[in-house]
Amino acid sequence: QVQLVESGGGVVQPGMSLRLSCAASGFAFSTYGMHWVRQVPGKGLEWVAVLWYDGSGENYADSVKGRFTISRDNSKKTLFLQMNSLRVEDTAVYYCARDFYGGANFFDSWGQGSLVIVSS
Amino acid sequence: EIVLTQSPGTLSLSPGERATLSCRASQSLSSNSLAWYQQRRGQAPRLLIFGASSRATGIPDRFSGSGSGTDFTLTISRLEPEDFAVYYCQQYGTSLTFGGGTKVEIK
Repeated sequence: QVQLVESGGGVVQPGMSLRLSCAASGFAFSTYGMHWVRQVPGKGLEWVAVLWYDGSGENYADSVKGRFTISRDNSKKTLFLQMNSLRVEDTAVYYCARDFYGGANFFDSWGQGSLVIVSS
Repeated sequence: EIVLTQSPGTLSLSPGERATLSCRASQSLSSNSLAWYQQRRGQAPRLLIFGASSRATGIPDRFSGSGSGTDFTLTISRLEPEDFAVYYCQQYGTSLTFGGGTKVEIK
């Protein structure tokens, strides 16, 4: 079955960097677009970034553009989110999510999430 | 940016009752590009409905979606205990945005 497992979260100070990983299994990873979606604890969902199945295209929410970079290693079935210049308002649970099919831009499988806390 | 407004914020119902959740878009959605998700406490969201009315794999038929243009509805015909959760709509016609959520709680 489809499984997505995030890791790399933790507590960092404002201005610092963190890299999240999402290990995929149970499906042909290299044929699916992948997303990051975040959720402030107790609040709603916010889409963060998408990367096409072959890494040839990407897009970001305005709130993270220029600070976050999404990437993938299809040989290792892993998705990444490099987060630089972190702000207090980036504190959230970060989910990786599979695109329904190439370019659909909604999500049919989700990981369990990785908590990032940005605090001084 | 397309803004999605969900109502009500909280719905208090009893098991076996019918739940009707609303999602209104600030502009018309192309190709009815709207999805619904369920998020139980402490869990990741789960896809219920896409294309406004198509059920995702494994979703019970008590869940149904309807609507077009700017007004969409998620209906749960008879609430089961496991259906008490938060529900989000999401549009994917122009970029991606989520609604603020509707909490369905036990009355």
